[in-house]
Amino acid sequence: GQSLEQPSEVTAVEGAIVQINCTYQTSGFYGLSWYQQHDGGAPTFLSYNALDGLEETGRFSSFLSRSDSYGYLLLQELQMKDSASYFCAVEGTYKYIFGTGTRLKVLA
Amino acid sequence: DVKVTQSSRYLVKRTGEKVFLECVQDMDHENMFWYRQDPGLGLRLIYFSYDVKMKEKGDIPEGYSVSREKKERFSLILESASTNQTSMYLCASRPTGDYDYGYTFGSGTRLTVV
Repeated sequence: GQSLEQPSEVTAVEGAIVQINCTYQTSGFYGLSWYQQHDGGAPTFLSYNALDGLEETGRFSSFLSRSDSYGYLLLQELQMKDSASYFCAVEGTYKYIFGTGTRLKVLA
Repeated sequence: DVKVTQSSRYLVKRTGEKVFLECVQDMDHENMFWYRQDPGLGLRLIYFSYDVKMKEKGDIPEGYSVSREKKERFSLILESASTNQTSMYLCASRPTGDYDYGYTFGSGTRLTVV
């Protein structure tokens, strides 16, 4: 079977750094993606890691370790607008399997 | 900008009704997907299609069917709506082979079955 685990909720203050972890178990693996979803909105694509290591896009970075079946999303210089749910997703053949999401609350 | 358009934002239907949810994308993507999103359960794949007239079951296909007669349109059908199908339904599309691209999601249809 396939499963992903991520924390249900994370709280941090504005300007801080926060890391959202994701561990996965899957029979086929092409890569790990991250999506952001604001309340009432559609999920939007943030990043994709196919190879081990860190990928940086502005204030957001994503990391993958294939040998550990583990990845994380790192958000730096947190802003209020980063308050949202973040989903990791494992890439399989044709489709993703999504985690249950981490709700990030950014406090002023 | 790629657009995925879902025909209704909110929908209220009665138990036993046949319900059609429509999704249209304008970027010639081969792959289209229907997910439902429920609190605490994340996004669960109902059906997907990688080509016209092709369809594959996802993780929770029971009670649903799909239709893809044209490349740009992917319809989700609830054959006989039940209250446990009350949910947010999200359609998505993506081109084949471009994993860096990610999915583009529609705005969702919040379906309530009463």
